[in-house]
Amino acid sequence: GQSLEQPSEVTAVEGAIVQINCTYQTSGFYGLSWYQQHDGGAPTFLSYNALDGLEETGRFSSFLSRSDSYGYLLLQELQMKDSASYFCAVGGGATNKLIFGTGTLLAVQP
Amino acid sequence: NAGVMQNPRHLVRRRGQEARLRCSPMKGHSHVYWYRQLPEEGLKFMVYLQKENIIDESGMPKERFSAEFPKEGPSILRIQQVVRGDSAAYFCASSPPPGGTGELFFGEGSRLTVL
Repeated sequence: GQSLEQPSEVTAVEGAIVQINCTYQTSGFYGLSWYQQHDGGAPTFLSYNALDGLEETGRFSSFLSRSDSYGYLLLQELQMKDSASYFCAVGGGATNKLIFGTGTLLAVQP
Repeated sequence: NAGVMQNPRHLVRRRGQEARLRCSPMKGHSHVYWYRQLPEEGLKFMVYLQKENIIDESGMPKERFSAEFPKEGPSILRIQQVVRGDSAAYFCASSPPPGGTGELFFGEGSRLTVL
């Protein structure tokens, strides 16, 4: 089976940096994805790490350590619009099937 | 290029009725996935389909739930004899072949309320 753990809530102020951690257990691992969801709307893709290391896309970066079964999403220069739920997910592979964590609610305060 | 289209956006049913949720994937996408989300919770995988084939239904409840993705037309998630516990948001996602990108394209969801 597969299980993922991430903090349920994180609070930060505008302009700050926040890191959302994700640890996972899975019988077969292809990669770790991150998604953003605003107010129960459509989840949107942020990043996918299949190999160890840091991937940077604008203000967002994602890190993976396969040996530690651990990854994180780093959000820099936080803006109010970044207030949302963030989900890590394991999967990918040929089917692209993803199993999601329970999500981290990020509240950005002025 | 239109995104993933789901309808209805909101559906109200009484206990015992049937709910049918429809999903049209993005153009060129042949993989369709259904997820269920309860309030304040994560996305629970239900089923993965390709045209005319159910590939993985490991997340589907054994009874009352079924899914299809016919050769023509949208994918359908069908819930028979709904109960209050079926109240949730149902999200459809699609991806193009061959996969391996970790990227799914989600629709806006269908919110089912069972009275």
